[in-house]
Amino acid sequence: QLQLQESGPGLVKPSETLSLTCSVSGDSISRSGYYWVWIRQPPGKGLEWIGSIYSSGNPYYNPSLKSQVTISVDTSKNQFSLKLSSVTAADTALYSCGGGFSVMGDSWGQGILVTVSS
Amino acid sequence: QSVLTQPPSASGTPGQRVTISCSGSRSNIGSNTVNWYQQLPGTAPKVLIYSNNQRPSGVPDRFSGSKSGTSASLAISGLQSEDEADYYCAAWDDSLNGHVIFGGGTKLTVL
Repeated sequence: QLQLQESGPGLVKPSETLSLTCSVSGDSISRSGYYWVWIRQPPGKGLEWIGSIYSSGNPYYNPSLKSQVTISVDTSKNQFSLKLSSVTAADTALYSCGGGFSVMGDSWGQGILVTVSS
Repeated sequence: QSVLTQPPSASGTPGQRVTISCSGSRSNIGSNTVNWYQQLPGTAPKVLIYSNNQRPSGVPDRFSGSKSGTSASLAISGLQSEDEADYYCAAWDDSLNGHVIFGGGTKLTVL
């Protein structure tokens, strides 16, 4: 069973880059057919898909965030990461990583709250 | 960007059957499969239904999913107090080079 754990700073300044890492256990991040996914949930609001990356390395991004987002995989560490540039207060949210055979995510980490504030 | 439409709230009493709808369009539900997620307060989302009507192991058969045309539904029978949660549908959308969209979520209250 996949287990995922998010890590990174809980506070980011406006205009800076938010960087998070998701550590994967229970299977290889290189396993064929897997997608690795990031979603977020602003306080009191619904779920928003940020992007997914396929095991072959092809990323798919939310069109509304595409200019800010980079998702990449580090096979040597069995991790994948999220970078979101030029953040504003609107990017304050609980960020969760997920994975599985669905591009929408099957298993999820507990999430990490990231606040954008000076 | 496309949107999946869900009712903001639903409710039922213990033992009842409740249905939550998810309305989309040809480019998402009409062309691709639907997942349903349950989010208990303060926790990460959990997949309840994948590929329209498939239950992961461990999900009770009280939960079922269906799809018809550009709409999907999640049904919960034998409602229990622990089912009180937020429920989200999600689907791949073929527009704009492809992307995932979530419904706005439905808060289920067990009266």
